[in-house]
Amino acid sequence: DGGITQSPKYLFRKEGQNVTLSCEQNLNHDAMYWYRQDPGQGLRLIYYSQIVNDFQKGDIAEGYSVSREKKESFPLTVTSAQKNPTAFYLCASRVETATNYGYTFGSGTRLTVV
Amino acid sequence: AQKITQTQPGMFVQEKEAVTLDCTYDTSDPSYGLFWYKQPSSGEMIFLIYQGSYDQQNATEGRYSLNFQKARKSANLVISASQLGDSAMYFCAMRGWSQTSGSARQLTFGSGTQLTVLP
Repeated sequence: DGGITQSPKYLFRKEGQNVTLSCEQNLNHDAMYWYRQDPGQGLRLIYYSQIVNDFQKGDIAEGYSVSREKKESFPLTVTSAQKNPTAFYLCASRVETATNYGYTFGSGTRLTVV
Repeated sequence: AQKITQTQPGMFVQEKEAVTLDCTYDTSDPSYGLFWYKQPSSGEMIFLIYQGSYDQQNATEGRYSLNFQKARKSANLVISASQLGDSAMYFCAMRGWSQTSGSARQLTFGSGTQLTVLP
């Protein structure tokens, strides 16, 4: 079945470390997104990519970086510059055709700074 | 700029009763889409229903219906015959432009409503 796979499900990071969250999709979707969710809050956009080798900052990009070398993959790196990285991270992709429109979400990665 | 407002942080409903979750939005985009998602405690986002801004009729999907009032800029979710499994966080979201990101067609989310269904 097609879908989005995020790994790991839980991730612990020490202060000052960079960590990379994986997002892989086999849906053949062009657009992919990274969102951050804090407890009791809605999702906020970190980065998005509409095609391979292109990505744009979202509303809260500071302290994060991404790459889009393959259509299937959109990894997110949480750098040491992100001062409060503990959160739930969701990856999503978008399909938009004449007959189908919608977003698919992964199951998320819960990042905790220890 | 676009904004989604959900004014009910928490709601309770008796099993088998109907419940309405409120959502108001603000956008200057003439074309937009409104979504409702369910997020159980496990964290995944489950798509429930979609309403396009030019759709003439309110969307329905099984027990879910969307009460779309364009002039009032509201898109309330109605869940009929609530079940215990409906207990979750519910998010209203809009596709369009963000104030910083341009035409990325990303979703802008409200802060959510925690629904608890009582037996």
